[in-house]
Amino acid sequence: SSELTQDPAVSVALGQTVRITCQGDSLRRYYASWYQQKPGQAPALVIYGKNNRPSGIPDRFSGSYSGNTASLTISGAQAEDEADYYCNSRDSSDNHEYVFGTGTKVTVL
Amino acid sequence: QLQLQESGPGLVKPSETLSLTCTVSGGSISSSDYSWGWIRQPPGKGLEWIGNIFYSGSSYYNPSLKGRVTISVDTSKNQFSLKLTSVTAADTAVYYCARRGEATWQLMIGHFFDSWGQGTLVTVSS
Repeated sequence: SSELTQDPAVSVALGQTVRITCQGDSLRRYYASWYQQKPGQAPALVIYGKNNRPSGIPDRFSGSYSGNTASLTISGAQAEDEADYYCNSRDSSDNHEYVFGTGTKVTVL
Repeated sequence: QLQLQESGPGLVKPSETLSLTCTVSGGSISSSDYSWGWIRQPPGKGLEWIGNIFYSGSSYYNPSLKGRVTISVDTSKNQFSLKLTSVTAADTAVYYCARRGEATWQLMIGHFFDSWGQGTLVTVSS
């Protein structure tokens, strides 16, 4: 099955911009979705498809793609954006299987 | 507003079967637009997809768990369930249920889990 690789941790100064990447062969076939998870909470969808935000997600969150890499950008990071972020996509096979990325811990300084 | 709620035992003995149910409210599980999934997260670790099921009963599983996992759906109760057999300590995790949707943009498909339950911790221990 496919794998999705993320950097384990990144840090960003308050109000600055941070980009989180997710790399995998399946991203050449399928868009990724991105999830924010705060301690003790369930993951929450923040970006899906080409660059879509669910209702209630601030517009400082955006998504982009290049080749086999999907990126989540937080423009003007806020303290409440400190969390773990996971990407997800369908496996590159045709078996209706899904895979999550390894996760990135974002620290807002 | 759609809500999902996991229920089931919080403690399972090694070699026994883990059984959880997800109850869906605020929407119908019998929608062809969505499938319904289970995801788990061992303590301090990342997310792992377990499997998905459509209301028709078609199901798909993580190859690493195949042979031990079964997901079923009960449309009359608006519920779907997870069974994981022969559990070990490695199956200790928070188990989440979620709704999976999909859409197409410029000929490419995106899948997403847009609604999640709060999660339930299942500990495997004697």
